[in-house]
Amino acid sequence: DTGVSQDPRHKITKRGQNVTFRCDPISEHNRLYWYRQTLGQGPEFLTYFQNEAQLEKSRLLSDRFSAERPKGSFSTLEIQRTEQGDSAMYLCASSSRRGVEQFFGPGTRLTVL
Amino acid sequence: AQSVTQPDIHITVSEGASLELRCNYSYGATPYLFWYVQSPGQGLQLLLKYFSGDTLVQGIKGFEAEFKRSQSSFNLRKPSVHWSDAAEYFCAVGAGPHGGSQGNLIFGKGTKLSVKP
Repeated sequence: DTGVSQDPRHKITKRGQNVTFRCDPISEHNRLYWYRQTLGQGPEFLTYFQNEAQLEKSRLLSDRFSAERPKGSFSTLEIQRTEQGDSAMYLCASSSRRGVEQFFGPGTRLTVL
Repeated sequence: AQSVTQPDIHITVSEGASLELRCNYSYGATPYLFWYVQSPGQGLQLLLKYFSGDTLVQGIKGFEAEFKRSQSSFNLRKPSVHWSDAAEYFCAVGAGPHGGSQGNLIFGKGTKLSVKP
C-alpha cells in the first residue's frame, strides 16, 4: 500500500475564491472520510463515503462545501466562496470494509487571505 | 453525545523518563478507543486501539494504553520516552470499528509532548 495521498499539500487563496482538494485512499479501501483540523484542535468530522455513496455529513459542512467520490476511488472536496474561517488543515482518511482503523493522509493546509 | 477530553494541553518530560497522557471519554456503550500521534505538519498515525478483551493494549513505538471502564479513561503510557516521541497525541472514540453512527471518530483536542534532553 502506498498510503493515503492528498493534493495539494498547501493552498493559499484569497477570500471569495473556490478551491478543490483531492484525496486518493489506499487502494481497495471502500470507506473514505474528510476531517478538518484547526490550530490547537483535534480533527473534526466533515463527511464520509462508502464506495461512491456519501452516507453522512456533519453540520460543519456548510452549503459552500461539497464532496464527491464519483467512482468510489479518489475523492474531491470543494469549498466555494472561501472565507478566512475556512483556513485549516483538511485531512482525508480511509478504511477497508473489514478494517478497524482509519488511515490518514498528510493533509492539505488551506490558508485564506 | 460522544466526547473526548484530554486534560493536559502540553506536557514536558525528560528523555528516558516515563510518560502518561490522560484521556477521558463520554459514551453510553462500550466504545472503540484509539490513540493517534501527529508530527508537525503531518497526518495522523495510529499508535494503538481498543475494542474489547484485555484492557491493557500494546501499540507501536513502545506505547501501551489501559482501558478503565469505571473511570471512563484510556490513558497512554510509555516507560521511557525518546526525543523522537515529541509530537502531538490525540485520543479518539468511535461507536464501531469504523467510527460512530456517522462513520466518524470523535477526537480530543490533543496533548503536545515536548522532550527535554
